[in-house]
Amino acid sequence: SYELTQPPSLSVSPGQTASITCSGHKLGHKYTSWYQQKPGQSPVLVISQDSKRPSGIPERFSGFSSGNTATLTISGTQAMDEADYYCQAWDSTTTVVFGGGTKLTVL
Amino acid sequence: EVQLVESGGGLVQPGGSLRLSCAASGFTFTSHWMSWVRQAPGKGLNWVASIQPDGYEIHYVDSVKGRFTISRDNAKNSLSLEMNSLRAEDTAVYYCARDVPNWGGLDRWGQGSLVTVSS
Repeated sequence: SYELTQPPSLSVSPGQTASITCSGHKLGHKYTSWYQQKPGQSPVLVISQDSKRPSGIPERFSGFSSGNTATLTISGTQAMDEADYYCQAWDSTTTVVFGGGTKLTVL
Repeated sequence: EVQLVESGGGLVQPGGSLRLSCAASGFTFTSHWMSWVRQAPGKGLNWVASIQPDGYEIHYVDSVKGRFTISRDNAKNSLSLEMNSLRAEDTAVYYCARDVPNWGGLDRWGQGSLVTVSS
């Protein structure tokens, strides 16, 4: 079965750039989405189709995918960005796969 | 405003059954695939099942095949998940979510419904 691998945790200082990676076989050939989930809340889609930002998502969130890796970048990270982040892709056209999640700490 | 509201969660014994519902509003329900995603306590997100707008194409994660049934009532803008032969490992918060066309991800999520399987 298809697997997506994320680092379990990442720490950044406020104002710095956070880059969260997601690795999977030929992931660049698939569309990757990214979700933000804060404690006690439902996930929020922050990046769609590798790099598209849904309405209402701040411009500091961006995405890129190539080869075996997709990357979510948060520029000028703010305290409010502290959350768990999940990547997601499709194994085939029918099976949805999530990465294990990355806990982003802003300190 | 797009809204997805789950209901039907609760405590059930191993081997028991439960039916989750998701009431959708604020968008054209028949234009979207819909999905169920679950999250065990303190763990990550796991996809459970998805259903095509007309209900004819359905997909499940292997671990629930033969036990769970996803369905939709387009006349009532409602999504359901019938869960049978429940196991302790099915304990999770279950979210219904709206699919973005063309593999665009899941752009709207409900608040979640907790299912606890325990004796």
